Amino acid sequence: KQEVTQIPAALSVPEGENLVLNCSFTDSAIYNLQWFRQDPGKGLTSLLLIQSSQREQTSGRLNASLDKSSGRSTLYIAASQPGDSATYLCAVTRKGAGSYQLTFGKGTKLSVIP
Amino acid sequence: DGGITQSPKYLFRKEGQNVTLSCEQNLNHDAMYWYRQDPGQGLRLIYYSQIVNDFQKGDIAEGYSVSREKKESFPLTVTSAQKNPTAFYLCASSPWTGKNIQYFGAGTRLSVL
Repeated sequence: KQEVTQIPAALSVPEGENLVLNCSFTDSAIYNLQWFRQDPGKGLTSLLLIQSSQREQTSGRLNASLDKSSGRSTLYIAASQPGDSATYLCAVTRKGAGSYQLTFGKGTKLSVIP
Repeated sequence: DGGITQSPKYLFRKEGQNVTLSCEQNLNHDAMYWYRQDPGQGLRLIYYSQIVNDFQKGDIAEGYSVSREKKESFPLTVTSAQKNPTAFYLCASSPWTGKNIQYFGAGTRLSVL
C-alpha cells in the first residue's frame, strides 16, 4: 500500500528566506506527483505536477524535483513571502484497475513571518 | 466562470439523519472524486466516478453513497451508518487524460449536532 510522508509537519521562517519542503513515498511505481496548496478552510490548488519521467518542474518562485527511484520529492520556495503561508500537500498518482487515484501526505503547514 | 461548485459550505447533521453534499462542475470533465479530510490529515478517497452512471468505492466508502446521473453532478450522501461524519469534504474533477490533474472545489464542512 502506498504511503506518503511529508516532513516537517510545520515550518516557520522569516520573510525572504528560501525553504525546502520534503515528500517521500513508499512505492516508486507512480504515474506522477503533484504539489498542492491549501489555505485554511479552503479547497486545494494545484501548484506543480511532475510526470514520472521528469526530474523537475518550475513555476515562478517554486521548483519541484522528483527522484522516483529513491521515492522522494522536494518543493523549493525561493524568497518566501507572507502570502506563501498555507499548508502544502504532496500527492502521488497510482494507476490501477483502469483508474488514476491520488494518495496524499498529511501536509506541511508553512508560516512566513513578516 | 468555469470550476467546481460545492454546496453548502457548512452543514449540520442530526443523529440518524442522512445528508447530501452537492458537487457540480462545468469543466466538461469525465472523472469526479469525493475526498474526506480530517484535521492534520491528508485527503482520503471516498468514491470516484470515471463516467456517467458508473462509480467505484475508494478507501473509505462505508457509510457513504453517491450517484452520477449527469456528467456535471456527483452528489455525496452521508448516511446514518457513518458514525463519525464530522470532517471537511472535498470534491474534485479531472479530464480523463494521462496527466490526471485534479481540480478541487472549496469544500463542505460537516458537523454533527
